[in-house]
Amino acid sequence: SQQGEEDPQALSIQEGENATMNCSYKTSINNLQWYRQNSGRGLVHLILIRSNEREKHSGRLRVTLDTSKKSSSLLITASRAADTASYFCATFPANAGGTSYGKLTFGQGTILTVHP
Amino acid sequence: DGGITQSPKYLFRKEGQNVTLSCEQNLNHDAMYWYRQDPGQGLRLIYYSQIVNDFQKGDIAEGYSVSREKKESFPLTVTSAQKNPTAFYLCASSPRLAGGSTDTQYFGPGTRLTVL
Repeated sequence: SQQGEEDPQALSIQEGENATMNCSYKTSINNLQWYRQNSGRGLVHLILIRSNEREKHSGRLRVTLDTSKKSSSLLITASRAADTASYFCATFPANAGGTSYGKLTFGQGTILTVHP
Repeated sequence: DGGITQSPKYLFRKEGQNVTLSCEQNLNHDAMYWYRQDPGQGLRLIYYSQIVNDFQKGDIAEGYSVSREKKESFPLTVTSAQKNPTAFYLCASSPRLAGGSTDTQYFGPGTRLTVL
């Protein structure tokens, strides 16, 4: 399996509900980032959490990181129809050398659908 | 999509033809990247460049070539050697690669390439 796997693959909720997406990874990381992609568009950076951080907030977004379990979660509170998109986690490796230097590794994403 | 432009938005290619995808950024970023995205999949790194006149192979470089003659430009050529080129191609940039482990990436709007 790949570094950075999201769960669930798809999530369908009603407006106003909270949406939680999870990401698991295999190797040690320096940081983990979450990106959003609207259909047929480029990715937009949402939030970055460093390996020495456990929780981070940005507006309606809350990200947690558990390095002992090699997992992260993204919570979107009070979801809106405009939150409908694919969400990707991406990991930056802890080893600053070799072929992994500077490269983000993306997961396969969670497709979130928020119904009005 | 910030200050990164990709052209064209849609591109059709006949088998056996080389095609070049354009990526330009006006963010004064040092590092640039090319990713490939297949339906329902995450992003896979094709090539990346840390500085002008330097570039490195990513995870799936076979059948692709790049150049970095100017800081703001990082064109990708999909050659006839690429056996399955139909995909969505995304260009990204970040302020720096070396030592820039906390830098996020800024994405262009993408080019959808279809082989006829």
